[in-house]
Amino acid sequence: KNEVEQSPQNLTAQEGEFITINCSYSVGISALHWLQQHPGGGIVSLFMLSSGKKKHGRLIATINIQEKHSSLHITASHPRDSAVYICAVSRDDKIIFGKGTRLHILP
Amino acid sequence: ETGVTQTPRHLVMGMTNKKSLKCEQHLGHNAMYWYKQSAKKPLELMFVYNFKEQTENNSVPSRFSPECPNSSHLFLHLHTLQPEDSALYLCASSQEGLENTEAFFGQGTRLTVV
Repeated sequence: KNEVEQSPQNLTAQEGEFITINCSYSVGISALHWLQQHPGGGIVSLFMLSSGKKKHGRLIATINIQEKHSSLHITASHPRDSAVYICAVSRDDKIIFGKGTRLHILP
Repeated sequence: ETGVTQTPRHLVMGMTNKKSLKCEQHLGHNAMYWYKQSAKKPLELMFVYNFKEQTENNSVPSRFSPECPNSSHLFLHLHTLQPEDSALYLCASSQEGLENTEAFFGQGTRLTVV
């Protein structure tokens, strides 16, 4: 069992829908990262958080340390949001990655 | 553009070839990393360099040989690879270790071994 689990694995939604991607982890962490990987392979760091909530544009990330759970929300989704979203946790100077959630937003 | 540049973006090589992947960052970061991303598997950490010293080798086969000549450049030398080594190889850098700092990733090199 992977130490970082994401759900769903795949998600298809219509443009404009509110999107939620979940991440659960089973180890103690110092920080949690949300990353976005576009079809070409490049990865962009969206958020790094260790408590509470962060917002950047239409993206919101929350974390509940007690429940070992984080969510990434996308409001007013757009086809350009189509990508793989990866949750990763920092622990002992390592990053442990989830398998990613493949998001496809239909126009 | 994340500030981490990888070349080449795509590489096809035979099992007897020798090739090198290059990663460059001018973000002033002290730590650099090689990751492997195979289909349907999480990113796997291969090597870590801190201040040009290799601090981690995650049981990577010797046919992968990293080199870090300075804190801005990282290479991954490849020789006698196997078809199962075909994957996306990602380089990343961070200010220090990954405990509480953000990692910046390159675009990756898509490697196909034939």
